[in-house]
Amino acid sequence: EAGVTQFPSHSVIEKGQTVTLRCDPISGHDNLYWYRRVMGKEIKFLLHFVKESKQDESGMPNNRFLAERTGGTYSTLKVQPAELEDSGVYFCASSLPTREETQYFGPGTRLLVL
Amino acid sequence: GNSVTQMEGPVTLSEEAFLTINCTYTATGYPSLFWYVQYPGEGLQLLLKATKADDKGSNKGFEATYRKETTSFHLEKGSVQVSDSAVYFCALRRSNYQLIWGAGTKLIIKP
Repeated sequence: EAGVTQFPSHSVIEKGQTVTLRCDPISGHDNLYWYRRVMGKEIKFLLHFVKESKQDESGMPNNRFLAERTGGTYSTLKVQPAELEDSGVYFCASSLPTREETQYFGPGTRLLVL
Repeated sequence: GNSVTQMEGPVTLSEEAFLTINCTYTATGYPSLFWYVQYPGEGLQLLLKATKADDKGSNKGFEATYRKETTSFHLEKGSVQVSDSAVYFCALRRSNYQLIWGAGTKLIIKP
C-alpha cells in the first residue's frame, strides 16, 4: 500500500512568489492534516480536512496560506505571496475516519524562501 | 494549554549504550501520547504510542510508559545501534485530532 506522498520534495523561491505544495493521502483516509516545522522550532499544526471539508484551520498563520482538498482526495497548500518566515518543512499526514487512528506522515516538502 | 517538553539534543551515545529521552507534557483531559522518529532524509514515522495511563508502547526495542502521575512519556531502549541515529519527537493528541509536538531530540550513535 502506498504511503502519503508529497510534491515537491524541495522548493526554493524568492520572496513574493507563489508556491503550491501537494499532498496525496493514503487511499481511504478521510482525514488529512497539514503541519509545518519552521527552522529550529516545534512542528505546528496548520489545518485538518475531513474529506473535502475544513474541520479545523486554527493553525493557519495568516491569509497568505490557502489549503484546498477538492473531491476529498489530494490536497494543495498554496502560499501567496511567500515571505522569508515561511521557510521550513511542510508535512502532510492522513488517517482513517475514527478519532483514535494513527496519523501517517509524508516525507515533507522543504521550502526555502530567499 | 497543551504542551510537550523534550530534553534538548543532540544526545550522543556509543553503540549498545542505554538510551533515555525524556518527555513531559501538560494537557487537559487524557491525551494520547506518541513518539515519532525521523531518519535522515525521510519523513516522520510513528515509533510507538499509548492511549491511556499506565499503557506501555513498544516497537523496535524502544519502550515508553504513559505516566499520568508524573505527566511523562520517556523513551527508552536498552541497547542502541548506529541505525537508531535519527530525530525523535514526542507528541500528544488533543481531542480535536491535533498533534502537539515537542521540539525533537537528535540522537547520534557512534560505533
